[in-house]
Amino acid sequence: EDQVTQSPEALRLQEGESSSLNCSYTVSGLRGLFWYRQDPGKGPEFLFTLYSAGEEKEKERLKATLTKKESFLHITAPKPEDSATYLCAVQARGNTGKLIFGQGTTLQVKP
Amino acid sequence: EADIYQTPRYLVIGTGKKITLECSQTMGHDKMYWYQQDPGMELHLIHYSYGVNSTEKGDLSSESTVSRIRTEHFPLTLESARPSHTSQYLCASSEYPGQGHSPLHFGNGTRLTVT
Repeated sequence: EDQVTQSPEALRLQEGESSSLNCSYTVSGLRGLFWYRQDPGKGPEFLFTLYSAGEEKEKERLKATLTKKESFLHITAPKPEDSATYLCAVQARGNTGKLIFGQGTTLQVKP
Repeated sequence: EADIYQTPRYLVIGTGKKITLECSQTMGHDKMYWYQQDPGMELHLIHYSYGVNSTEKGDLSSESTVSRIRTEHFPLTLESARPSHTSQYLCASSEYPGQGHSPLHFGNGTRLTVT
């Protein structure tokens, strides 16, 4: 069964304290892995798509990496505005468009 | 900037009422989706559509129905609301599955409370 597990469930950081969020997945042929950011009261906002092991994507203080079993979202020198819930989702082959989501990691960055 | 709109943003309604949650997108996307999200839980797909006159049930059993008469519009209807339907409902769209890696664009959701 296709499954996505994110850890930790919650993470508190001081401003400037770098860390990583984990997304472990089991899927019958990975078509793509997606990272989203969700602010309270809003819908998820797309961040990255990763397609194959070894791939990396960067956007400002965020860098996403992918292996055959997991993805990491590295946050370098975070700021309070990076506080949000980060969602990971996978798309299996033959399952066009349908995403399987993890439960998310809620990040709080304190000034 | 989101080009997908959901109304209402909040809805409190009594048991047994019929409700329709509206979703419209201006991006011309063929694929549209409805997800259900409870606090601290993963998003679950309840309905999706490949295009006009196409609707499919998702992975999560739902008593709701959807229709797709126009490309831009994908409303979700509950014929008789129950307290178990209390949740956040998120609508999303993406480009055609031929470009299957296209990310989903989400609306800001409708938070439904059934009393």
